[in-house]
Amino acid sequence: NAGVTQTPKFRILKIGQSMTLQCTQDMNHNYMYWYRQDPGMGLKLIYYSVGAGITDKGEVPNGYNVSRSTTEDFPLRLELAAPSQTSVYFCASSYPRGGPQETQYFGPGTRLLVL
Amino acid sequence: KNQVEQSPQSLIILEGKNCTLQCNYTVSPFSNLRWYKQDTGRGPVSLTIMTFSENTKSNGRYTATLDADTKQSSLHITASQLSDSASYICVVSASNNNNDMRFGAGTRLTVKP
Repeated sequence: NAGVTQTPKFRILKIGQSMTLQCTQDMNHNYMYWYRQDPGMGLKLIYYSVGAGITDKGEVPNGYNVSRSTTEDFPLRLELAAPSQTSVYFCASSYPRGGPQETQYFGPGTRLLVL
Repeated sequence: KNQVEQSPQSLIILEGKNCTLQCNYTVSPFSNLRWYKQDTGRGPVSLTIMTFSENTKSNGRYTATLDADTKQSSLHITASQLSDSASYICVVSASNNNNDMRFGAGTRLTVKP
């Protein structure tokens, strides 16, 4: 299994541009998550999904959108990039809550710089 | 407010030495606590998961403890290796919200030869 894969690894955007961060998992996990990690701060949840067709906001959803048309894919969309969105973005997946299968598996991250 | 505080922020030790990282939390009601290891430029990788009833869990040279009464956890690393150099993140989940996971800022550990 490849686990959780993310593309691109790094991207520079101009203010106001849009882009989609891709995330794919091949572990047949129901739950998928998007986090951002700012320097010296803990990861913060942007959006999550409990299954195909279902998405919900996390702690910091403003400026982002997601979709979950398949179990495998969970893309994150930035419509109007702002400097405050400069961060490292991590996608993760897991089985449903409860029990030893609750471990989250993280992708390698996408580093985004908005200038 | 549900918070997770980790200490120290950074730590430098010599190879072969032991160290202990601390995590204090105010997340309530408590569901579980996890420790992750995050290498530079990589995503976090799970080390341990502990529920309310567990007070110790080991994963090789890593041993996590949990005191749910005082809301404290520690991660003890034995006989450190150069490859242990990473950030160690404490994550606490609340039981009243399936996705209310609070991440600490992490402790940056550097192991020197």
